[in-house]
Amino acid sequence: EPEVTQTPSHQVTQMGQEVILRCVPISNHLYFYWYRQILGQKVEFLVSFYNNEISEKSEIFDDQFSVERPDGSNFTLKIRSTKLEDSAMYFCASSDRQGRRTEAFFGQGTRLTVV
Amino acid sequence: AQKITQTQPGMFVQEKEAVTLDCTYDTSDPSYGLFWYKQPSSGEMIFLIYQGSYDQQNATEGRYSLNFQKARKSANLVISASQLGDSAMYFCAMREGPSGSARQLTFGSGTQLTVLP
Repeated sequence: EPEVTQTPSHQVTQMGQEVILRCVPISNHLYFYWYRQILGQKVEFLVSFYNNEISEKSEIFDDQFSVERPDGSNFTLKIRSTKLEDSAMYFCASSDRQGRRTEAFFGQGTRLTVV
Repeated sequence: AQKITQTQPGMFVQEKEAVTLDCTYDTSDPSYGLFWYKQPSSGEMIFLIYQGSYDQQNATEGRYSLNFQKARKSANLVISASQLGDSAMYFCAMREGPSGSARQLTFGSGTQLTVLP
């Protein structure tokens, strides 16, 4: 069964460093998303991406965040200068337009720890 | 106001019994979708079941069913014949707007389900 793949599964970084979280969405999907989940809290939307541009973004997604689809398969989230409060599980998700459901399929997550 | 409310932070159920996890939602959009995801301790988010706002029948997927009461704005998840492997955090989520769009999902705070042997 096709799945969303995220790398790395766990990333530890020093405060102020840049990190890039990588995702390979399901191949025929058109919509891509990043969500984050701070430990013990609810899942929060960051950004959605369609047709090579951002569709929606939340207030969390400020100037230190950016997303890219550099080739036909990868979808990346970059955090330019990490802060302690960026420590969270980051989920990539993808969905397609076919059918009515368009549920988002989530990757297994990248646990980011900023020290 | 919260868009998705899950009032049960924790639930316990005996193995092989059924359990209902509550979810209420708030939207003024006539077109929306409701989702349930399971998050085991390993952290991944697993899609369980979907209900569209215009669907006439309650959704079912194996042991999962969604008790959709549109007038009450509730979308409770029913798990029949609970198994030990069902122990996990369960999230209700909503997408506002029609399907086929890149609309975000809004999640509830989750219910931690523990299945007792």
